[in-house]
Amino acid sequence: KQEVTQIPAALSVPEGENLVLNCSFTDSAIYNLQWFRQDPGKGLTSLLLIQSSQREQTSGRLNASLDKSSGRSTLYIAASQPGDSATYLCAVMDSNYQLIWGAGTKLIIKP
Amino acid sequence: AAGVIQSPRHLIKEKRETATLKCYPIPRHDTVYWYQQGPGQDPQFLISFYEKMQSDKGSIPDRFSAQQFSDYHSELNMSSLELGDSALYFCASSSSSVPDTQYFGPGTRLTVL
Repeated sequence: KQEVTQIPAALSVPEGENLVLNCSFTDSAIYNLQWFRQDPGKGLTSLLLIQSSQREQTSGRLNASLDKSSGRSTLYIAASQPGDSATYLCAVMDSNYQLIWGAGTKLIIKP
Repeated sequence: AAGVIQSPRHLIKEKRETATLKCYPIPRHDTVYWYQQGPGQDPQFLISFYEKMQSDKGSIPDRFSAQQFSDYHSELNMSSLELGDSALYFCASSSSSVPDTQYFGPGTRLTVL
C-alpha cells in the first residue's frame, strides 16, 4: 500500500532563505508526483507536477525533483518570501490513477 | 480556461441534517473524484466516477452517496450529518484520455453544528 510522508511537519525560516521540503513514498510504481500549496482553510493550488519519467520541474522560484527509484521528491524554494507561508502538500498518483497524499509541511516565512 | 466548479462554497448544517454538494467538471472531462479534508488533515479520497458509473471507492461513509449525471456533473449527498463531517470537500476532474492529471475545484467548506 502506497504511503506518502512529508518531513518536516512544520518549518519556520527567515525571509530570503532558500529551503527544501521533502516528500517520500513507499511504492515507486507511480504515474506522477505533484506538489500543492494550501493556504489556511483554502483550496489546493497545484504548483508543480512531475511525470514519473521526469527528474525535475521548475516554475519561478520553485524547483521540484523526483527520484523514483529511491521514492523521494524535494521541493526547493529559492529566496523565500512571507507570501510563501502556507502548507505544502505532496501527492503521488498510483497505478490506479488515485492520488495518495502526504500530511503536508506547514511553512512559515518570518519577515 | 474553465476550471472545476463546486457549489456551494460554504455550507452550514445541523447534526442529523442532509447536505448536497455539487461539482461541475472541466468541459469534456469525464471523470470526477471526491476528496474530504478534515481540519489539519491531508485530503482523503472518497469516491470517483467515470462516464456516470462509480469507478472507485475510498473511505466514504455509508451515510454518503454520490452520482454522476449525464452532463458529467456530480453530486455528493451526505445524510445524518455528524460533527466529524465538518471538512473541506474537494472535487477534481480528469479526462480519460489524460487520466494522470486531476484538476481540483476550490472546495466546499461544510460546517456541522
